[in-house]
Amino acid sequence: EAGVAQSPRYKIIEKRQSVAFWCNPISGHATLYWYQQILGQGPKLLIQFQNNGVVDDSQLPKDRFSAERLKGVDSTLKIQPAKLEDSAVYLCASSPNRGLDYGYTFGSGTRLTVV
Amino acid sequence: GIQVEQSPPDLILQEGANSTLRCNFSDSVNNLQWFHQNPWGQLINLFYIPSGTKQNGRLSATTVATERYSLLYISSSQTTDSGVYFCAVATSYDKVIFGPGTSLSVIP
Repeated sequence: EAGVAQSPRYKIIEKRQSVAFWCNPISGHATLYWYQQILGQGPKLLIQFQNNGVVDDSQLPKDRFSAERLKGVDSTLKIQPAKLEDSAVYLCASSPNRGLDYGYTFGSGTRLTVV
Repeated sequence: GIQVEQSPPDLILQEGANSTLRCNFSDSVNNLQWFHQNPWGQLINLFYIPSGTKQNGRLSATTVATERYSLLYISSSQTTDSGVYFCAVATSYDKVIFGPGTSLSVIP
């Protein structure tokens, strides 16, 4: 089966600019996650979707970050305006349903550098 | 909230050596998963192990939920084992929290 697709692979922007990341999960996976991984740290959950509804966005900086999952399939994560501290790898993951027991499949990530 | 600690933070092994990685968590968890992040950044599931012991080839894992820790054993390490090993736990509210990871380098 095809994996989780993410684009772009790399992005360099200046602070205060906007940026968007795209994720296409594995077909049929109901749950989609966006994680932020800062260099040297473990991934931190930003937002979790169940189909096209938001389950958890408690750690999403909503003043600058937004995310949507269209028709319960593809998802986009946007940052506007970007700050230097947003430099990180943004990982998308999907699973058949909520919970670690279903197994996560991660995409390759988008490495964002804010200068 | 729940705290997840991993030790050691860094580990360098000669090829063929064995190692034990540890994950401690501060509260009861429903689920626990070990992941491997390879040097190119790809995260791969290793073990789903909320309790008990599992083995897959040279890797095995044990979780003692009552004592709030999990161990990942790597035997006869190979250079392809290099990368960062994360444990992730989920609470009763299904919120998943990753530990800070153990960075492993296996040298030939």
